[in-house]
Amino acid sequence: ELKVEQNPLFLSMQEGKNYTIYCNYSTTSDRLYWYRQDPGKSLESLFVLLSNGAVKQEGRLMASLDTKARLSTLHITAAVHDLSATYFCAVHTGTASKLTFGTGTRLQVTL
Amino acid sequence: GAGVSQSPSNKVTEKGKDVELRCDPISGHTALYWYRQRLGQGLEFLIYFQGNSAPDKSGLPSDRFSAERTGESVSTLTIQRTQQEDSAVYLCASSFVRYRTGPYEQYFGPGTRLTVT
Repeated sequence: ELKVEQNPLFLSMQEGKNYTIYCNYSTTSDRLYWYRQDPGKSLESLFVLLSNGAVKQEGRLMASLDTKARLSTLHITAAVHDLSATYFCAVHTGTASKLTFGTGTRLQVTL
Repeated sequence: GAGVSQSPSNKVTEKGKDVELRCDPISGHTALYWYRQRLGQGLEFLIYFQGNSAPDKSGLPSDRFSAERTGESVSTLTIQRTQQEDSAVYLCASSFVRYRTGPYEQYFGPGTRLTVT
């Protein structure tokens, strides 16, 4: 059974600081997704990572994928309050039709 | 263009009643998914539809849960004899699936918040 673990589960950080969220998964995967969820809202797609070594950046967020280590990271640079949300990684496996989601990382950016 | 829509946005029901939740996927998206999200938790896969193929029902938690989809359009998720543990947000997503290359990113609807009293 595919397991997806994120850490930390909760992250409180000051504006202007950098931090990384980690996503580990237990079986081979051909693609990995990062989503953002604001309180009471649905999920917004951030990144789709399709191959080993893939790196994507959007604003202050950068995601990377290491398929050999079964690890993806979401790096936050110079955090701002607007980034406060819950971030989920989700893993797709080649023979499965669904995504398996991590437990989520609740990010709180304080002034 | 229009995104994934779901109705109702909120549903309060008494324990033991049946409920129906509706999802309208993005036009042209062949795949449709239902997930459940309990308060403060991640998403739990329920069921997946792809074109005219048999649905993947492997995530349905009990036989009280069922879902239908008409072609590549609307889907309904039905929960019979609701229990308090069914209280959650039910999210629908759709994606464009190209044969042999697997599903692309899923686009989520706003969800239906179900409360069973």
